[in-house]
Amino acid sequence: SAVISQKPSRDICQRGTSLTIQCQVDSQVTMMFWYRQQPGQSLTLIATANQGSEATYESGFVIDKFPISRPNLTFSTLTVSNMSPEDSSIYLCSVGYSGGAYEQFFGPGTRLTVL
Amino acid sequence: AQSVTQPDIHITVSEGASLELRCNYSYGATPYLFWYVQSPGQGLQLLLKYFSGDTLVQGIKGFEAEFKRSQSSFNLRKPSVHWSDAAEYFCAVGARGGADGLTFGKGTHLIIQP
Repeated sequence: SAVISQKPSRDICQRGTSLTIQCQVDSQVTMMFWYRQQPGQSLTLIATANQGSEATYESGFVIDKFPISRPNLTFSTLTVSNMSPEDSSIYLCSVGYSGGAYEQFFGPGTRLTVL
Repeated sequence: AQSVTQPDIHITVSEGASLELRCNYSYGATPYLFWYVQSPGQGLQLLLKYFSGDTLVQGIKGFEAEFKRSQSSFNLRKPSVHWSDAAEYFCAVGARGGADGLTFGKGTHLIIQP
């Protein structure tokens, strides 16, 4: 399985600011995804990070609020822009493969608190 | 659209007792199904998966799950729970497993009584 790291592991931010979360994988992967887990809730898919092209966003999530980059097959970033307290969540990246293996592996998450 | 229902928000089980966590899914074709566990302050760990073949699948930590197409269910079981099994358990479905984003159920919080 892939080893996934996220930075930062947690942060406390002021409303109106932005935070960029990094996701690094120890091997090349086909697919990378970003999820949000609001307090006491389940995981919701934000977007699929596509290498070299714009991310594919799920309903309810927009690029202006959650810009995503994926410059290569091992790295992606998610920015939470113009934050409000409602953005306080755990943000997780995950990786998967388009053929052969069917698992999806998750990073440790970034715990974000917005004051 | 795909969806996952975990009917039990909380379950309390005595240590050493058997466990069954329920999961029902809605999906138009043969689904890729997963169970993940999230311990306090930890990330998600994959317990087991199903995408074809034998409908009874074995996972890590002594867990197993049975896929029942007729009931659209994928229930998780363990014959004897340990205190370390206390955690949040999520059932998830995906169209192409690792190639697509997953849809998660709301989770079941497992409490182990001594």
